Amino acid sequence: GNSVTQMEGPVTLSEEAFLTINCTYTATGYPSLFWYVQYPGEGLQLLLKATKADDKGSNKGFEATYRKETTSFHLEKGSVQVSDSAVYFCALTLSGSARQLTFGSGTQLTVLP
Amino acid sequence: DGGITQSPKYLFRKEGQNVTLSCEQNLNHDAMYWYRQDPGQGLRLIYYSQIVNDFQKGDIAEGYSVSREKKESFPLTVTSAQKNPTAFYLCASSMGQAPYQETQYFGPGTRLLVL
Repeated sequence: GNSVTQMEGPVTLSEEAFLTINCTYTATGYPSLFWYVQYPGEGLQLLLKATKADDKGSNKGFEATYRKETTSFHLEKGSVQVSDSAVYFCALTLSGSARQLTFGSGTQLTVLP
Repeated sequence: DGGITQSPKYLFRKEGQNVTLSCEQNLNHDAMYWYRQDPGQGLRLIYYSQIVNDFQKGDIAEGYSVSREKKESFPLTVTSAQKNPTAFYLCASSMGQAPYQETQYFGPGTRLLVL
């Protein structure tokens, strides 16, 4: 089956620190990969995505590269801000009629001033 | 502004009671989804619908029911058969047309609590 594994949190960083949240996947085909962010008490917002190998998704200073050889899609940001504190979800979807999302368990990030 | 709305934000259910969560979208999306989120966990798919008058069970459909009578609406009913309904419920939609646009957009969620 399909699955997504994220590094366990919580992750606590100081402002302006470098962020990496690891994400690896198992899929039967060629998935599209996503990072979603969830702020406290809210729904999920799409942060970035990549649809094929070696694609790099980027948004708001966050980046992730689709690595087929290592089945990974690690999220990075060079300098985090307090406002980046949230839960981050890695997810995948496969070609097919349903296009269902398979989510990782989420990683809580807290950025301290 | 286009988007997805969910209501109510908080919902309380008594034992043996059915409750219905609303989800409306004005994005003209064909596909809609319901997910359940438990504390510290990822999202699990309850039901999804790719077109009007059609829907399929997801991974945890037991104790839930849905309808899709209109393109913009996909209400979820939590029945008395769902023994552990306390969770955060998220609705999502996607274009769902070939070439498939798989990006899903989420509503703000409804938190269901059992009295």
